Amino acid sequence: SAVISQKPSRDICQRGTSLTIQCQVDSQVTMMFWYRQQPGQSLTLIATANQGSEATYESGFVIDKFPISRPNLTFSTLTVSNMSPEDSSIYLCSAGGWSSTDTQYFGPGTRLTVL
Amino acid sequence: GENVEQHPSTLSVQEGDSAVIKCTYSDSASNYFPWYKQELGKGPQLIIDIRSNVGEKKDQRIAVTLNKTAKHFSLHITETQPEDSAVYFCAANAGGTSYGKLTFGQGTILTVHP
Repeated sequence: SAVISQKPSRDICQRGTSLTIQCQVDSQVTMMFWYRQQPGQSLTLIATANQGSEATYESGFVIDKFPISRPNLTFSTLTVSNMSPEDSSIYLCSAGGWSSTDTQYFGPGTRLTVL
Repeated sequence: GENVEQHPSTLSVQEGDSAVIKCTYSDSASNYFPWYKQELGKGPQLIIDIRSNVGEKKDQRIAVTLNKTAKHFSLHITETQPEDSAVYFCAANAGGTSYGKLTFGQGTILTVHP
């Protein structure tokens, strides 16, 4: 199984600022994803982080608000830009293997509060 | 796109009883169905998964069944223990070219009373 770490684990930010979240996997993986989990809710996919190309965003999420980088097969970042209180959520990255039916493992999450 | 419905939203059982959580999905091309357990303040942890070439899979006290014709799958936990208390999520992958994407159910809050 893959071990995934995220930094920071939590943060409190001011409205209008940006926060970059890092995701590190202990082995090379094909697929990396970013999810948002609002308080008491399920997980919603933000985007697929593609290595060497632009991320693929889901409906309702745009690159200007959530820029993503994936410089190699073990690392990705998600930036939450121009934050508002509505961005207060848990942000989770996940990583999978080499096919669409490979297991996905999740990081511990980043708990973001925007004041 | 894929839609996953999960029931019940809350489930309360006595220690030692069984717990069953059910999910239905909409995309007949889905072929991978994982279950995750999320404890307070932690990320989701994979507990069991099933692929469409099998109908049932078991791992100690946990089992998952899949009915592809009816497009539903279920999680069964036997001999529940207080440490099983958590939020459980089912998920289904996207069919076709949506490589690896998971759609999650709404979650079930399981409480096991000692």
